[in-house]
Amino acid sequence: EAQVTQNPRYLITVTGKKLTVTCSQNMNHEYMSWYRQDPGLGLRQIYYSMNVEVTDKGDVPEGYKVSRKEKRNFPLILESPSPNQTSLYFCASSRTGANYGYTFGSGTRLTVV
Amino acid sequence: AQTVTQSQPEMSVQEAETVTLSCTYDTSESDYYLFWYKQPPSRQMILVIRQEAYKQQNATENRFSVNFQKAAKSFSLKISDSQLGDAAMYFCAYRRRAGANNLFFGTGTRLTVIP
Repeated sequence: EAQVTQNPRYLITVTGKKLTVTCSQNMNHEYMSWYRQDPGLGLRQIYYSMNVEVTDKGDVPEGYKVSRKEKRNFPLILESPSPNQTSLYFCASSRTGANYGYTFGSGTRLTVV
Repeated sequence: AQTVTQSQPEMSVQEAETVTLSCTYDTSESDYYLFWYKQPPSRQMILVIRQEAYKQQNATENRFSVNFQKAAKSFSLKISDSQLGDAAMYFCAYRRRAGANNLFFGTGTRLTVIP
């Protein structure tokens, strides 16, 4: 089944404790992206990658890191999480080309206390 | 920068009736794509319908159709014969043809379906 797999689905952590949210896709998509969803703000892009070893900042990159060492994986790293990073996070992938919609993961609900 | 505006934070519709969700966008591009995504309580993002800017004909997918007005930069979603399963958050999104192809989202409209 073609899908984007995110883990974990829920995560509660403490301020300053490094964490990684994993994302993997099995569709050989070139394009991958991370979004955060907050009430009243919709989905905002954090980082995106157009292919292996090619990443770039989205609209809200502060406090996040990403890497794209393999085509299928695009982990999101929070080196020192803070409470304002409490949010719902989505990983998404797509073939290159604007006519393709994104395939989204199931989301990760992160709470930083 | 591209912006997508959904001015209706919440809407409600009676079951079996028709509802229209509004979306406007701002861009200097002439070639792009527009999308509507549905997010039910399961929080999964589901692609509902897409529209290519260079096509004048409005896209239709079963009970879902759009009214695309390119000059007005408007892209509304019409849901006919509303069903309880249509209750969800709906997001309008924009993606330009050239370049990074990032997907820009509006803030969403929460649709309630009344039995």
